[in-house]
Amino acid sequence: RKEVEQDPGPFNVPEGATVAFNCTYSNSASQSFFWYRQDCRKEPKLLMSVYSSGNEDGRFTAQLNRASQYISLLIRDSKLSDSATYLCVVNPGGYNKLIFGAGTRLAVHP
Amino acid sequence: DARVTQTPRHKVTEMGQEVTMRCQPILGHNTVFWYRQTMMQGLELLAYFRNRAPLDDSGMPKDRFSAEMPDATLATLKIQPSEPRDSAVYFCASGLPGFPETQYFGPGTRLLVL
Repeated sequence: RKEVEQDPGPFNVPEGATVAFNCTYSNSASQSFFWYRQDCRKEPKLLMSVYSSGNEDGRFTAQLNRASQYISLLIRDSKLSDSATYLCVVNPGGYNKLIFGAGTRLAVHP
Repeated sequence: DARVTQTPRHKVTEMGQEVTMRCQPILGHNTVFWYRQTMMQGLELLAYFRNRAPLDDSGMPKDRFSAEMPDATLATLKIQPSEPRDSAVYFCASGLPGFPETQYFGPGTRLLVL
């Protein structure tokens, strides 16, 4: 079983749609959690951190459920520019090591 | 705007040749990571340095790969000899210890081994 699992997609949605991505992780001792965004042929970039209390950044909302070892990302009012691969990332602790999921592709169309 | 830089951006080589990839971390960052990304495996951690010392290279094939930090401004990843299965994008990232959210990636080196 992979340490971080995501649905690879692709998710094809129209502009303005709401889309949700889910992710599960296997190490219950994991300490911090993130969503990264990766555009085609570019490097991954931090989108947002994920906290147990949930956090929101504009149209993006991230949630963490430690009991279920589950992380989610909700994108409201999708824009064409949201088209990218979204990587679920877990820090298992110890040092700054990050474990990346395989990513979920999102394609927003007009 | 501080960035991680990597050279070369693209490399095409023949099987058996030595490949050296370089990375300049963000000034002040004392943790450096090397990752490899392929379609099949996704992003895999190859090596981790803190204060120029290698602390974790368990993800790196030891027989042909080596990673070093000659100084605080330069990290290198070498493959010798290269094989077609090494074809991938190699990313370097740097950050501050204790703050994984500060990990910033360089633009990557696209390696193709023929």
